[in-house]
Amino acid sequence: EVQLVESGGGLVQPGGSLRLSCAASGFTFNNHYMTWVRQAPGKGLEWVANINRDGSEKNYVDSVKGRFTVSRDNAKNSLYLQMNSLRDEDTAVYYCARDGGSRRVDYWGQGSLVTVSS
Amino acid sequence: DIQMTQSPSSLSASVGDRVTITCRASQSISRYLNWFQQKAGKAPNVLIYGASTLQSGVPSRFSGSGSGTDFTLTISSLQPEDFATYYCQQSYSTPRTFGQGTKVEI
Repeated sequence: EVQLVESGGGLVQPGGSLRLSCAASGFTFNNHYMTWVRQAPGKGLEWVANINRDGSEKNYVDSVKGRFTVSRDNAKNSLYLQMNSLRDEDTAVYYCARDGGSRRVDYWGQGSLVTVSS
Repeated sequence: DIQMTQSPSSLSASVGDRVTITCRASQSISRYLNWFQQKAGKAPNVLIYGASTLQSGVPSRFSGSGSGTDFTLTISSLQPEDFATYYCQQSYSTPRTFGQGTKVEI
């Protein structure tokens, strides 16, 4: 059974940093692109970043470029999102998701809430 | 970035109704279009990918069509468990933008 479990969310002050982790199991992790998607409270979905199978290619939405870094450790079956210079507007539930081929996300984690507030 | 616009933003329907949601891309995305369903407090689930391919395990009352810039999600006979918010997403290029969502209410 495919499982994605996020951790590392919490309350952080504006300008602060946080690192999200996503532990993957139930599939061959290094065979899949991985994606981060976020959802602000009461709002829609926003694609944040993705990373290819070996971590050599990363893509970001403009609003997080230069502040967020996506990475992965295939030996540990883990995906990460390092978030620096956090802003109020980064407050959201962050989902880790697997790209199942054909450019679609087919499995999602349960989400990790990040709250940026003073 | 490619902008995705869904319509309507919300709709009211009854069990058994045929429901259609449209999604328009700001430029051609070929058939790189996915549809997701999200229920309150839960992660989204993929329904349709490649504009018209039904994800395994998804009921056949869901269908998708379209190519280029205009796409449609149809629910042929709305069931109680289908009341949710639906999102389209383009996977033609990064950032892989979502539409703003369509809430289907009773």
